[in-house]
Amino acid sequence: QSALTQPASLSGSPGQSITISCTGTSSDVAIFDYVSWYQQHPGKAPKLIVYDVRQRPSGVSDRFSGSKSANTASLSISGLRAEDEADYYCCSYAGRSTWVFGGGTKLTVL
Amino acid sequence: QITLKESGPALVKPTQTLTLTCNFSGFSLSSTGVGVVWIRQPPGQALEWLALIYWNDHKFYSPSLKTRLTITKDTLKNQVVLTMANVDPLDTATYYCALKEANHHNWFDPWGQGTLVTVSS
Repeated sequence: QSALTQPASLSGSPGQSITISCTGTSSDVAIFDYVSWYQQHPGKAPKLIVYDVRQRPSGVSDRFSGSKSANTASLSISGLRAEDEADYYCCSYAGRSTWVFGGGTKLTVL
Repeated sequence: QITLKESGPALVKPTQTLTLTCNFSGFSLSSTGVGVVWIRQPPGQALEWLALIYWNDHKFYSPSLKTRLTITKDTLKNQVVLTMANVDPLDTATYYCALKEANHHNWFDPWGQGTLVTVSS
């Protein structure tokens, strides 16, 4: 199992939209619609913001949306806000009851 | 309200065995489909999935760490314990436990606050 590939950093201005990619392999992202995304603010525990590729938990803003194409999943954030500045991690089911995370993306709101 | 809280030693020497405890409330690990996972995060680095234990005591481990990990549960105490043998400074990390609420759920929510473990002589 290798970690999923995410861009190390991204930035955007308030109000803009950004997309974070998460590239996996034919053993994980490509064959399972079980990608989740987590938001982590400094010094805090990760928080679930998207599951099953595109589903949002109750209470998560609809500014967050997920999608997937082939072996790449994506998290889009629209109407960027200062509070969106955080690290974002994707996670995919990898078969046989194991999971693999991405390397994380540091989002800066300029 | 579901809560999880990790505890364990802040400092462990290389080659020792690390024992971490996850105390939880708001759910039962005897309920069908429920599981608890352990995930770690070295300082400034990415998350890494470690292990999962289900209500029926089925256990699953990260392929890269399975020879060193053991996960157990105490349903009556609402606890899950993770032991890691032969620790190395590379095992320095914040260790999190999290709920996997059902068999068909392939996500983890909520998470505990994490506990930082440093491996150093």
